[in-house]
Amino acid sequence: DTAVSQTPKYLVTQMGNDKSIKCEQNLGHDTMYWYKQDSKKFLKIMFSYNNKELIINETVPNRFSPKSPDKAHLNLHINSLELGDSAVYFCASSHGQGRYGYTFGSGTRLTVV
Amino acid sequence: DAKTTQPPSMDCAEGRAANLPCNHSTISGNEYVYWYRQIHSQGPQYIIHGLKNNETNEMASLIITEDRKSSTLILPHATLRDTAVYYCIVRVVNTGNQFYFGTGTSLTVIP
Repeated sequence: DTAVSQTPKYLVTQMGNDKSIKCEQNLGHDTMYWYKQDSKKFLKIMFSYNNKELIINETVPNRFSPKSPDKAHLNLHINSLELGDSAVYFCASSHGQGRYGYTFGSGTRLTVV
Repeated sequence: DAKTTQPPSMDCAEGRAANLPCNHSTISGNEYVYWYRQIHSQGPQYIIHGLKNNETNEMASLIITEDRKSSTLILPHATLRDTAVYYCIVRVVNTGNQFYFGTGTSLTVIP
């Protein structure tokens, strides 16, 4: 009965590869997000989707592209991976803009070698 | 969104109340105070939020000062499972605004 699930949990890949991280929520939320947690433990918003529309796109490289086939899924695709992309990526969801809180997945640890 | 300041770390004895402070002196009138926590290797977990009044739920209590420039998260009876990093965030809830987690307070509950 996992609320927000991400796969894979760990991803090790070489520079230059293209990879995807999948996220699904079964909470009936209408907004989903991707966060990046860097080594200093800051979580920074990358993308959010509401009803299949991109609401906000922070200053992330265009190598990163969110894909949402429906409101229960928000996948993250990354092209031409770089060493600096190594981090933990979290998916989250909420009702609307999250006044009553966000629900986060358990994270995907991406390591680029 | 307003900036928050939290102590980097705190200890608390098991069974005692854990009081985690947060300073948000630049908070504006329409910004809410939110608390999340992150247990090692897991995603952040929503705890509680409030605007002006004190709030309580099954996890914790939130005390907001009258001038709203600071708040305290209270875990009434800390357990070992409450060991985590606690984040205090202030944000406006409207279209397009998101929030950032800072460095938080690392709470260690000691047996």
